[in-house]
Amino acid sequence: AQTVTQSQPEMSVQEAETVTLSCTYDTSESDYYLFWYKQPPSRQMILVIRQEAYKQQNATENRFSVNFQKAAKSFSLKISDSQLGDAAMYFCAYRRGGDSGYALNFGKGTSLLVTP
Amino acid sequence: GAVVSQHPSWVICKSGTSVKIECRSLDFQATTMFWYRQFPKQSLMLMATSNEGSKATYEQGVEKDKFLINHASLTLSTLTVTSAHPEDSSFYICSAPPSFSYNSPLHFGNGTRLTVT
Repeated sequence: AQTVTQSQPEMSVQEAETVTLSCTYDTSESDYYLFWYKQPPSRQMILVIRQEAYKQQNATENRFSVNFQKAAKSFSLKISDSQLGDAAMYFCAYRRGGDSGYALNFGKGTSLLVTP
Repeated sequence: GAVVSQHPSWVICKSGTSVKIECRSLDFQATTMFWYRQFPKQSLMLMATSNEGSKATYEQGVEKDKFLINHASLTLSTLTVTSAHPEDSSFYICSAPPSFSYNSPLHFGNGTRLTVT
């Protein structure tokens, strides 16, 4: 079974600053996907960024970028120019690749607080 | 973009009664639907996977007789919590990959907050 570990239960960042959320995972699969999801107080799951394991280039979406270290099985999320609206729970998630639909396996989450 | 509609968004029921949660894919066919449960301040835990036209697959520790899943059509999956108890109070979320591309990101419903009194 694949495990996803988020070692930071809570993080805090000042507005306009940069913060990095860490995530490690364990798998024996070679084909997989990694995701970061944001869950605000509304509890809606919002996809932040996605990384295919076969791609060496780190994914980037505007102020959000990842540092994907495949050998180390590490997948950290960097949020630049933090905004008050970034405050939320952030979940790192793993999903097997392949032709069939596979569920997401989530980490325990990191609660991000953004201070003015 | 693809939308998953989950209903109801919240429900309060008495202990011993049953509650049905519906999850509909509005603009795509969902041959597979995943049901998650999330306790306060915790992560999303996969409960079961439903497949249209076949029996659901339950994760270890999830009682299939208590959490009945029906995936009767390509656009509708339901989760029924039978004989609900206060410990079943939780946030339930469904999600589905679009059938045309299993490797596309999952689409999530907005969740159902269940409170059993």
